[in-house]
Amino acid sequence: NAGVTQTPKFRVLKTGQSMTLLCAQDMNHEYMYWYRQDPGMGLRLIHYSVGEGTTAKGEVPDGYNVSRLKKQNFLLGLESAAPSQTSVYFCASSYLSGTNTDTQYFGPGTRLTVL
Amino acid sequence: ILNVEQSPQSLHVQEGDSTNFTCSFPSSNFYALHWYRWETAKSPEALFVMTLNGDEKKKGRISATLNTKEGYSYLYIKGSQPEDSATYLCAFYPNTGNQFYFGTGTSLTVIP
Repeated sequence: NAGVTQTPKFRVLKTGQSMTLLCAQDMNHEYMYWYRQDPGMGLRLIHYSVGEGTTAKGEVPDGYNVSRLKKQNFLLGLESAAPSQTSVYFCASSYLSGTNTDTQYFGPGTRLTVL
Repeated sequence: ILNVEQSPQSLHVQEGDSTNFTCSFPSSNFYALHWYRWETAKSPEALFVMTLNGDEKKKGRISATLNTKEGYSYLYIKGSQPEDSATYLCAFYPNTGNQFYFGTGTSLTVIP
């Protein structure tokens, strides 16, 4: 049982390049989330998914796209990276809604630098 | 965007000291509050899920209380140990939305 995994762990991009971050969970969780973590700020929600084939915008969705083609995977895409997207990205999952008793399980994070 | 504040931002205590810190959130639309422990170079791990006013949860030397009417939760650590060194995050879930709002965390360093 690997929990929540993220690939890659580190990446350096040039402005304008694209990339996809992969999140995978093996806990059969319905909900999955992508957060970014910046110095002096709390974790901020980018996009989330309440189930296979569905996605929704979070607090800071601009510049990102997501897809949830399979229940266990949640992909975060940057079509044209900008220096403002330099951050640490965390994926999380929860069984149901993550509201009441469902805690979120976090991946190890991806450190992205955009030059 | 909802304002979730944690204080203090950082804390240094001696081994054996007891300590506490605060998470403040909007009291008018409370649904749930989660506490997480985040060690350096690791992922946040859930400590407590709190949903009812007056809730008290305990796990070993760590406990938490919740006051939804005044909009705060306290996290207490009794007899701090070096392995307690971590950032402690709270996450607020309002009854008007579909996402958590995280505080910036309290960074605790326990000095042996």
